[in-house]
Amino acid sequence: NAGVTQTPKFQVLKTGQSMTLQCAQDMNHEYMSWYRQDPGMGLRLIHYSVGAGITDQGEVPNGYNVSRSTTEDFPLRLLSAAPSQTSVYFCASSYSPLGGAGEKLFFGSGTQLSVL
Amino acid sequence: TQLLEQSPQFLSIQEGENLTVYCNSSSVFSSLQWYRQEPGEGPVLLVTVVTGGEVKKLKRLTFQFGDARKDSSLHITAAQPGDTGLYLCAGAAGANNLFFGTGTRLTVIP
Repeated sequence: NAGVTQTPKFQVLKTGQSMTLQCAQDMNHEYMSWYRQDPGMGLRLIHYSVGAGITDQGEVPNGYNVSRSTTEDFPLRLLSAAPSQTSVYFCASSYSPLGGAGEKLFFGSGTQLSVL
Repeated sequence: TQLLEQSPQFLSIQEGENLTVYCNSSSVFSSLQWYRQEPGEGPVLLVTVVTGGEVKKLKRLTFQFGDARKDSSLHITAAQPGDTGLYLCAGAAGANNLFFGTGTRLTVIP
C-alpha cells in the first residue's frame, strides 16, 4: 500500500534556483494539498486541489505554484527559491473534496528542503 | 489565520505517568482532529471530534472537545515509550480550511 508518495526526501537549493516537489497518491482521492512545517508554527497550508484541474491558494501561497492535471499527481513548484522557504514540506490527500474540513487526511513522509 | 495554541510545547515524563495536552483557540471550529507525528514521517490521524462536549477514547488516550468548540484536550493514561512523538491538533473552519496547532512534543522515558 503506497498511499501518498513524496520525492525527493531531502533537497538543498541555492537562492534563486527552481525545483519541483513531487507528490503522488494511489487512493483515487479527490482532495490533495501541500503544507509546510516550521518549528513552533505547526503546519500551514500552501495550496490545495479539490479535483483534477482545480486548485486554490491556502494560507501561505506566495513563491509556490501548483497544477493538478491528473487525480494522482499534485506537484509543488518553487519558481525562485529563497532562504525563507527552508522548511519541511508535506503533501496530504483525502477522499472527500472537503478534505480540509475535518475529513481524514493521509500524509506523505515529507521533503526536507534547505535553501542556502 | 485562526491560531491554535497547544500547551505544553514540550513534555518529558516517566513511563507509567499520566499527562494532558491542551489545544486552545478563540475561534469556533466545526470539528477538531488530533494527529501524532513521528520523526521523519507525516502526521497520522488519531481521532476526529465534531460535537461540543464530545469525549472519545482510543485505548489509553481520551480526547475531549470543549462545549463551545473552541478548545480540546488529549489525556494519556499510563504513558508508554511508544507514545513518544509530536502531537498536533487541527481545527476545521469551513470547507477546506484546516488550521493546525503549534504542536506538543512528548517524550516518554522508559
